[in-house]
Amino acid sequence: QKEVEQNSGPLSVPEGAIASLNCTYSDRGSQSFFWYRQYSGKSPELIMFIYSNGDKEDGRFTAQLNKASQYVSLLIRDSQPSDSATYLCALPWRSGNEKLTFGTGTRLTIIP
Amino acid sequence: GAGVSQSPSNKVTEKGKDVELRCDPISGHTALYWYRQRLGQGLEFLIYFQGNSAPDKSGLPSDRFSAERTGESVSTLTIQRTQQEDSAVYLCASSFHRYNEQYFGPGTRLTVT
Repeated sequence: QKEVEQNSGPLSVPEGAIASLNCTYSDRGSQSFFWYRQYSGKSPELIMFIYSNGDKEDGRFTAQLNKASQYVSLLIRDSQPSDSATYLCALPWRSGNEKLTFGTGTRLTIIP
Repeated sequence: GAGVSQSPSNKVTEKGKDVELRCDPISGHTALYWYRQRLGQGLEFLIYFQGNSAPDKSGLPSDRFSAERTGESVSTLTIQRTQQEDSAVYLCASSFHRYNEQYFGPGTRLTVT
């Protein structure tokens, strides 16, 4: 199993709906998790990070972490066309390691 | 405040030439990272600095690649004798401390002809 796995998509969601992006990981010791958004031709932009089990909300974004099941999700409420991008999940390569391992990303398209 | 900056934004070079890519991290950030992203591909880790030491160079693809950092400031990634397969966007990121979230610069697009 890869360290970080994401469905590559593309994921198409109607404008105004909830977009749900998922990421699974193999290292049970992982403590910190990051979601990045990358527009085509641009560099990744940090949008959320989560360290504790449960939900973390920031505006229209909610990160959900379930360490027992080894998955982390990103929900985008009231999806907008400007949310169309590739979303990257990242976590330390090994527990406590400084290097981040990135998933290959899920391409999200919001349909007006 | 100012984010991570990188220069040049674009670089076109001939095969066999050396290139230097520069990264200015966010002020106060002690950790600095270099990544490479080929067209349509994911992020590939190259090297990480904590201060001016590089605890992890495991991602450097060959001995043609080297990097250095001055204190907790500017870093330079040098590619010697460039090859066409070096063509990619080179991304720099910094974080306040090595376990914290990373913030990316705009990248340098390198094209080797």
